[in-house]
Amino acid sequence: DADVTQTPRNRITKTGKRIMLECSQTKGHDRMYWYRQDPGLGLRLIYYSFDVKDINKGEISDGYSVSRQAQAKFSLSLESAIPNQTALYFCATSPTGGVNQETQYFGPGTRLLVL
Amino acid sequence: GENVEQHPSTLSVQEGDSAVIKCTYSDSASNYFPWYKQELGKRPQLIIDIRSNVGEKKDQRIAVTLNKTAKHFSLHITETQPEDSAVYFCAAPEFYNTDKLIFGTGTRLQVFP
Repeated sequence: DADVTQTPRNRITKTGKRIMLECSQTKGHDRMYWYRQDPGLGLRLIYYSFDVKDINKGEISDGYSVSRQAQAKFSLSLESAIPNQTALYFCATSPTGGVNQETQYFGPGTRLLVL
Repeated sequence: GENVEQHPSTLSVQEGDSAVIKCTYSDSASNYFPWYKQELGKRPQLIIDIRSNVGEKKDQRIAVTLNKTAKHFSLHITETQPEDSAVYFCAAPEFYNTDKLIFGTGTRLQVFP
C-alpha cells in the first residue's frame, strides 16, 4: 500500500549508535503503530499513537522511543542500538471510526541490522 | 493481557487441497478477530476478519470460523493455489481495545503444484 511509506528500507548500524526510523502516511488516519517482526515470534507491538498528543507503550517498548510529529508522521528511535534489536520493523495505520476502523494498513517495512 | 497462540507454525499442502490454521485466545471479552497474509518480502495485509456476533464468515475460497466457548478461531482455505503460499497471522484485541491487536506467531503455508 503506497499510502504508508517507511524510510530507510534497509539500515546497518553499530552497537551503541542512535538510529531513527521514519513512517509517513497519506491515508489521513489518526492511528499509527510500530511493530517488530522476528522469525517465529510474529508481529509485536512497540508503540502506538491515536493522535498527535497521544503516545502509548506496546508489548516491547524498552529500548525504543517514538515521536508523533504530525498526524501523518510517526518516528521510532533506538537511543543506543543493540544486536538483539536486529529485526524487520513495520509501521501501520488505521482509521478512526467507519466500517474499516480496525483494519491496519502496513508500510513496506525497514530491515535493521545491528552489528 | 491477551495471549494468542497459533498452530501449526508451518503447513505444506498440495495444490487443490484445503488448509486450516487455528488460533486460540485467552481473553473471553475479545470481540474481533482478523487474519493477515504476508507474502514473501511484502507487508502484511488483511484478508478476512470476524466479529464475535457471528460464527462463520466466507469470502470466496477463504473462511473464518469462531468458537467463543472454546476461545478459538480458524482460517480455512479451500482449493489452495500456489499464490496462497505466504505467512498467515491471526490476531485478537487486548481487552476491549480493537485498536491494539495481539498477533499470533504466524503460519508459513506452502502450496506445492
